[in-house]
Amino acid sequence: GQQVMQIPQYQHVQEGEDFTTYCNSSTTLSNIQWYKQRPGGHPVFLIQLVKSGEVKKQKRLTFQFGEAKKNSSLHITATQTTDVGTYFCAGTNNAGNMLTFGGGTRLMVKP
Amino acid sequence: EPEVTQTPSHQVTQMGQEVILRCVPISNHLYFYWYRQILGQKVEFLVSFYNNEISEKSEIFDDQFSVERPDGSNFTLKIRSTKLEDSAMYFCASTGHPYNEQFFGPGTRLTVL
Repeated sequence: GQQVMQIPQYQHVQEGEDFTTYCNSSTTLSNIQWYKQRPGGHPVFLIQLVKSGEVKKQKRLTFQFGEAKKNSSLHITATQTTDVGTYFCAGTNNAGNMLTFGGGTRLMVKP
Repeated sequence: EPEVTQTPSHQVTQMGQEVILRCVPISNHLYFYWYRQILGQKVEFLVSFYNNEISEKSEIFDDQFSVERPDGSNFTLKIRSTKLEDSAMYFCASTGHPYNEQFFGPGTRLTVL
């Protein structure tokens, strides 16, 4: 079945440093979504990418979808303590609307 | 802003007992989902539901699990005979369109003793 891997599993950064998490799927995706989960919270939708090579920005966050639609990345510029949480990518393939989540990258930001 | 709600927030049960987890999806949404997250691990898809029937289910969703939409607002997950390994956070989610963002509820933490 479809597998979605994310690296790194954990990342500690100093406030102000940049952060990137990478997502790779074993199969071609029809779209990819990114979610953020704060400690003790539930996943909250950040963005969806649909087109091959698509790049979207939300303030300090930049999301990319690979040309082959099998990989994606999330980059945060100049992290802040409010960025703390686990970032999950989740993909769907053409077979249906089931979201397959990656393992998540837990971001910790030192003030 | 409309949100998905779930009850109870925490459920403790004995192994072998039946549990029902309840969700109220966002009112104009038509697609409903259950996920589980074992502590510290990734979110795992269990089942999707549309038009009063299951549209997809994962290998985790075996004969011990069932879902129901008993009325116009509730969406329930039943585990017939709980096992220790069913201990997890269970999230309900809903969306208005199958490929759009999913709105997650706050979760029910299930502890099986």
